Amino acid sequence: QKEVEQNSGPLSVPEGAIASLNCTYSDRGSQSFFWYRQYSGKSPELIMFIYSNGDKEDGRFTAQLNKASQYVSLLIRDSQPSDSATYLCAVRAGNTGKLIFGQGTTLQV
Amino acid sequence: DADVTQTPRNRITKTGKRIMLECSQTKGHDRMYWYRQDPGLGLRLIYYSFDVKDINKGEISDGYSVSRQAQAKFSLSLESAIPNQTALYFCATGSQLGTGELFFGEGSRLTVL
Repeated sequence: QKEVEQNSGPLSVPEGAIASLNCTYSDRGSQSFFWYRQYSGKSPELIMFIYSNGDKEDGRFTAQLNKASQYVSLLIRDSQPSDSATYLCAVRAGNTGKLIFGQGTTLQV
Repeated sequence: DADVTQTPRNRITKTGKRIMLECSQTKGHDRMYWYRQDPGLGLRLIYYSFDVKDINKGEISDGYSVSRQAQAKFSLSLESAIPNQTALYFCATGSQLGTGELFFGEGSRLTVL
């Protein structure tokens, strides 16, 4: 089992719809969770991070964390063509400072 | 100028050649990382360093070595390149005092023929 798993997609949503991206992780000691966006041929850039169970909102983006289920998700409201990219989920285990990435989900709007 | 700079940005080489990818940063971060990206496999950690005297293996360190020459410089070497090391390589930095976020360089695309 991979440490961080994502559905590679592609996930296709119409413009204006809500895109839901999901990620599961195996290490219960994980403390910090990150969502990065990566355009083709470019470097990853941070969208959001979340530490606590529940929801965290930033503009059109909402990160959701459920540590009991070892599940983190990213919702993108009012999806735009410019949101078309690969979204990478990353998990930091304990105090290691290592960030382990999932394989990424490709979103097409 | 970019905060995290990688050189070269693109390199084509032949099997068996020694290759070095260099990374320098102006962010003042203590932590530096090398990742490899292959289609459909996300980012995989090769090596990471928390300070000049601290080097750690990641998930896929076989066939690679690193050197942390200074706090701001972290290089990745392929002693004898092989075709399955063809990939996009990213350097990243982070701070022990920060949120845990990593900041990425622009990537080095390596092709081994």
